[in-house]
Amino acid sequence: EVQLAESGGGLVQPGGSLRLSCAASGFTFNDYAMNWVRQAPGKGLEWVSAMSASGSGTDYADSVEGRFTISRDNSKNTLYLQMNSLRAEDTAVYYCVKDHSSWYGYYFDYWGQGTLVTVSS
Amino acid sequence: EIVLTQSPGTLSLSPGERATLSCRASQSVNNGYLAWYQQKPGQAPRLLIYGASSGATGIPDRFSGSGSGTDFTLTISRLEPEDSAVYCCQQYGTPPITFGQGTRLEIK
Repeated sequence: EVQLAESGGGLVQPGGSLRLSCAASGFTFNDYAMNWVRQAPGKGLEWVSAMSASGSGTDYADSVEGRFTISRDNSKNTLYLQMNSLRAEDTAVYYCVKDHSSWYGYYFDYWGQGTLVTVSS
Repeated sequence: EIVLTQSPGTLSLSPGERATLSCRASQSVNNGYLAWYQQKPGQAPRLLIYGASSGATGIPDRFSGSGSGTDFTLTISRLEPEDSAVYCCQQYGTPPITFGQGTRLEIK
């Protein structure tokens, strides 16, 4: 059974930093691209970032480019999202999401339960 | 980026009825690369349909997708109480990936 377990969310002040983690199990982690998708309170889903299976390729939404960094440790089956210079508009539930393919940009076949990030003073 | 507009915003139907949900794209979705997800309160989204019409693993055949170009439809036949959820479309034909705002389906 595929499982994706996010952690690291919490309350942070504007301008602060946070690092999210996602522990994956139930599939061959290094065969699949991974993504972060967020959902602000009462809003729709927004794709945030993606990384290819090998880690050689990354992509970011314009809204987070230059502030967020995605990474993965295939030896630990873990995906990360380093979030810097956080803004109020980054407040959302952040989902760790498995891509259908080894390269990103496809549909998402498994989602974690999400971790809440609140940016507020 | 491609903007996806879903309609209606909310749909209220009875068990056994048929639901038709629409997803319209601001420009043509390449290769029909459109997916549908179901999201229940407090739960993660679940993949229902990919490639506009292919059912995901384990999804009942009551759920079906159709469409091409800019107009796509999710149909749920023979509604059951557990179908109450928000349904969201996603295009992955042109980066960046974008989602629709969702249709809330209520089962009376």
